[in-house]
Amino acid sequence: DAKTTQPNSMESNEEEPVHLPCNHSTISGTDYIHWYRQLPSQGPEYVIHGLTSNVNNRMASLAIAEDRKSSTLILHRATLRDAAVYYCILRGFGNEKLTFGTGTRLTIIP
Amino acid sequence: SAVISQKPSRDICQRGTSLTIQCQVDSQVTMMFWYRQQPGQSLTLIATANQGSEATYESGFVIDKFPISRPNLTFSTLTVSNMSPEDSSIYLCSVGTGPRGTEAFFGQGTRLTVV
Repeated sequence: DAKTTQPNSMESNEEEPVHLPCNHSTISGTDYIHWYRQLPSQGPEYVIHGLTSNVNNRMASLAIAEDRKSSTLILHRATLRDAAVYYCILRGFGNEKLTFGTGTRLTIIP
Repeated sequence: SAVISQKPSRDICQRGTSLTIQCQVDSQVTMMFWYRQQPGQSLTLIATANQGSEATYESGFVIDKFPISRPNLTFSTLTVSNMSPEDSSIYLCSVGTGPRGTEAFFGQGTRLTVV
């Protein structure tokens, strides 16, 4: 699986937008970009995924660079509950396995 | 969606003993996955369990240490054998659902401490 690079940690103020970056310069044409997050003392939970176009759902937005070598997870209005480790994962078409990197630990400041 | 129940949620075990972790899913799934999360670390895939076939182990994990059963489409067990303190971790069960397993769901994990 292609590798992703994320900052180890980020901080954001409550009720402000958060932009979490991910670099994946060796992404292949069939790799989907997935984001999961792990809240304290819980298993990871799915956030969003995309292939080429930007994606929106009730939790977040995913902005994918035109060359697909990077992406950004956008939390539009951070709450304290969004404090978690966020993982950017590349997943090949038809591959159900997830290979977790080190992720970004997001701290929300009240 | 899928709801996953793991048992036990936590345990403290003596070195040299074995612990079997159970994973129950509320729907039938083809593949189930077992992950390990060592203290302060990310998740590492141990193995993939398909119903009716032998589990497929990732590099660094062997069947003798982590035997897996998958008797039906809603249940799997992972045994951590001959435990040592280095096995102290959180063990998580996961399944994929949706088209081609798009979204993965995870159990709450089993926090294992080996003393």
